[in-house]
Amino acid sequence: KNQVEQSPQSLIILEGKNCTLQCNYTVSPFSNLRWYKQDTGRGPVSLTIMTFSENTKSNGRYTATLDADTKQSSLHITASQLSDSASYICVVKDRGSTLGRLYFGRGTQLTVWP
Amino acid sequence: EADIYQTPRYLVIGTGKKITLECSQTMGHDKMYWYQQDPGMELHLIHYSYGVNSTEKGDLSSESTVSRIRTEHFPLTLESARPSHTSQYLCASSVGPTPSRTNTEAFFGQGTRLTVV
Repeated sequence: KNQVEQSPQSLIILEGKNCTLQCNYTVSPFSNLRWYKQDTGRGPVSLTIMTFSENTKSNGRYTATLDADTKQSSLHITASQLSDSASYICVVKDRGSTLGRLYFGRGTQLTVWP
Repeated sequence: EADIYQTPRYLVIGTGKKITLECSQTMGHDKMYWYQQDPGMELHLIHYSYGVNSTEKGDLSSESTVSRIRTEHFPLTLESARPSHTSQYLCASSVGPTPSRTNTEAFFGQGTRLTVV
């Protein structure tokens, strides 16, 4: 069964600190993995998208890593800001269908305190 | 910045009413999707479309219906709303993959928070 598991479920950190969010998946065959940021009551916004051959990709203070062999990904946030408070969702796309089905994790709810 | 819009953003409506959630995109994307998301839970695909006059049901069973008469417009309709329909509904779109572009990005609207009382 294709699944995406994220940990931790929630995380509280102080402003300025770093944190790492985890994503494990069983989706096969794999196409790509995306990290989205979703503010409360809003739609997800893409942070990074990585294919099988990419190990790391950065977008400002966000750095995503991918280990396609172990089917694990992480999202590292550097020097956190209050505006980073949001849900971070790991999404894996399969390439086994014309639709290119997206499988969503439940997200990690990050709260940054001043 | 993604050009995909959903209206209304918030809707509170009585049981039994008919409602239509609007979704429009100006990017010329062929593929459009409707997802349902409950608080703290993952997004579940309820409808998708490959293009005009193409609609399919997604993974999560839904009493809603959709139509795709124009490329840019993908409305979702509930003929008779019930409290169990209370949820957040997210619309998304993406361009179809080509041999040179396999990493097709999915862009999401802001969502419609529906409450049925």
